[in-house]
Amino acid sequence: SAVISQKPSRDICQRGTSLTIQCQVDSQVTMMFWYRQQPGQSLTLIATANQGSEATYESGFVIDKFPISRPNLTFSTLTVSNMSPEDSSIYLCSATDGLAKNIQYFGAGTRLSVL
Amino acid sequence: AQSVAQPEDQVNVAEGNPLTVKCTYSVSGNPYLFWYVQYPNRGLQFLLKYITGDNLVKGSYGFEAEFNKSQTSFHLKKPSALVSDSALYFCAVRGPGGGNKLTFGTGTQLKVEL
Repeated sequence: SAVISQKPSRDICQRGTSLTIQCQVDSQVTMMFWYRQQPGQSLTLIATANQGSEATYESGFVIDKFPISRPNLTFSTLTVSNMSPEDSSIYLCSATDGLAKNIQYFGAGTRLSVL
Repeated sequence: AQSVAQPEDQVNVAEGNPLTVKCTYSVSGNPYLFWYVQYPNRGLQFLLKYITGDNLVKGSYGFEAEFNKSQTSFHLKKPSALVSDSALYFCAVRGPGGGNKLTFGTGTQLKVEL
């Protein structure tokens, strides 16, 4: 299975600032995803990070707010822009590897608090 | 649209007793079904999946799940619960034509007591 590392693991940010979250996979993976888990709630898919092209965003999420990069097959970043307290959530990166491509493996998440 | 329902916010069981965490789904076509577990301050860990084949699927840590097409259910089970099984459990589904987009249930908090 793919091992996924995220950093930072947590952060406290001021309203109006931006935070970039990094996701590193220990092997080349076909697909990478970013999810949001709001306090006490389930996971919601933000976008699929496509290697070499623009990310595919789900309804309710836009590139200006959540720009995503994926420069290669093992790395992706998610930026949370112009943050407000409503952005306080856990942000999770996941990936699907080639051997078990039906299974998504998850990082430990980034716990973000916006003041 | 695909959806998942986990009707119980919390399940309490005594250690050594069998446990069941319920999940029902709605999807067009044959479902791909998954169970994940989340421990405090940790990411999601994959437990098991059903794609096709036997309706009873065995996974990690002694967990199993039974796929029931007529009832559109995929309940998670374990014959003998451990205190260390206490965690948040998520059921997830995707349709065969839905790419890799997973839809998660709201989660069920399992508490196993001595």
